[in-house]
Amino acid sequence: KAGVTQTPRYLIKTRGQQVTLSCSPISGHRSVSWYQQTPGQGLQFLFEYFSETQRNKGNFPGRFSGRQFSNSRSEMNVSTLELGDSALYLCASSFGNREGEKLFFGSGTQLSVL
Amino acid sequence: SQQGEEDPQALSIQEGENATMNCSYKTSINNLQWYRQNSGRGLVHLILIRSNEREKHSGRLRVTLDTSKKSSSLLITASRAADTASYFCATDAQGGGADGLTFGKGTHLIIQP
Repeated sequence: KAGVTQTPRYLIKTRGQQVTLSCSPISGHRSVSWYQQTPGQGLQFLFEYFSETQRNKGNFPGRFSGRQFSNSRSEMNVSTLELGDSALYLCASSFGNREGEKLFFGSGTQLSVL
Repeated sequence: SQQGEEDPQALSIQEGENATMNCSYKTSINNLQWYRQNSGRGLVHLILIRSNEREKHSGRLRVTLDTSKKSSSLLITASRAADTASYFCATDAQGGGADGLTFGKGTHLIIQP
């Protein structure tokens, strides 16, 4: 069974640009969550999608957005990049049906904003 | 906002020794999970303990939960060099909420060979 796949693995952008990150969940998983990880703030929840609908959203500005497709694959987009957006972006998938499910994480996309 | 806070932030021990990490959280929870992260990689689920459980074992891992103190501990026995990683607790708050699974900032564990 293939794990969670995130692409690309590394990304370098400049301020003001936009970026799209992709996440393919484990087959059968309908929930995809996104997290931002930085040394200073740790892991912070961005949003969760379930069956193509945003189910939960963290406290991030509107520049951060996402979507989920009918095959459960998800993308997140960051517009007008800022230096502070440099981080490891992790996506995680689960069945999404029960509280307290364990999450399966991808290896992440390391975004550097110059 | 961070729900869980791990302690210590960093821990260095000799191979073969036991490692104990602690996690404190703020609100009532449904369950608490521990994850491991190797440098720059994704997180790997280790163990989940529900709010009505007090202790759980999985191989060399032992987790305790004290809901009255809002704290949990992770014990790794007979540590190995491969256990070098960051360890995070994550809580699933009662009543759900918009924060998803909330992670602490982690304990960085170094096992000296």
